[in-house]
Amino acid sequence: DAGVTQSPTHLIKTRGQQVTLRCSPISGHKSVSWYQQVLGQGPQFIFQYYEKEERGRGNFPDRFSARQFPNYSSELNVNALLLGDSALYLCASSFFNGLNEKLFFGSGTQLSVL
Amino acid sequence: AQKITQTQPGMFVQEKEAVTLDCTYDTSDPSYGLFWYKQPSSGEMIFLIYQGSYDQQNATEGRYSLNFQKARKSANLVISASQLGDSAMYFCAMRVNAGNMLTFGGGTRLMVKP
Repeated sequence: DAGVTQSPTHLIKTRGQQVTLRCSPISGHKSVSWYQQVLGQGPQFIFQYYEKEERGRGNFPDRFSARQFPNYSSELNVNALLLGDSALYLCASSFFNGLNEKLFFGSGTQLSVL
Repeated sequence: AQKITQTQPGMFVQEKEAVTLDCTYDTSDPSYGLFWYKQPSSGEMIFLIYQGSYDQQNATEGRYSLNFQKARKSANLVISASQLGDSAMYFCAMRVNAGNMLTFGGGTRLMVKP
């Protein structure tokens, strides 16, 4: 079975541009979360969607937005890119939304903002 | 607010020996879950082990075990019989209630020497 897939794997943008990152969860998984991992740090929570509804938002500016589609895939959009947005963006999926629910992560999209 | 602290930025271990990676956490929520993830250079976060706050026994998964000391708010990962393939970043993470986000520590880089 396919794991969590993310596209593209690498992306180079310039300041002020907009970017869209895509994620396909494991088949049957209804929850998708997005994390930002700056080099040398642990991942930080950006968004979670469950059954196509936003269930949580981390401490990120409104330039960050996301959505989940009927097939449970998800997109993360970042507008007006800043140099500080350069990071590995990880998508994770799970079947439910429970306390002990482990997240399955993709390999991430490496975004470089020049 | 929840916080995870990993005080060891990097560690070396000899192949076939055991190693302990430290993790302390802080939360006022009585119901929480603790996770350990491995992140190889490929970027994907790989789930290793889970411990619930109400679990009486320490969790074990193959060569991985979690030394859970609730009163000290610590959840150290023990890897037995280290292998070269264990060289990677290791992250401790926590989720409270049925909340949707994982809070990650800063990680520990483990290097296994042949």
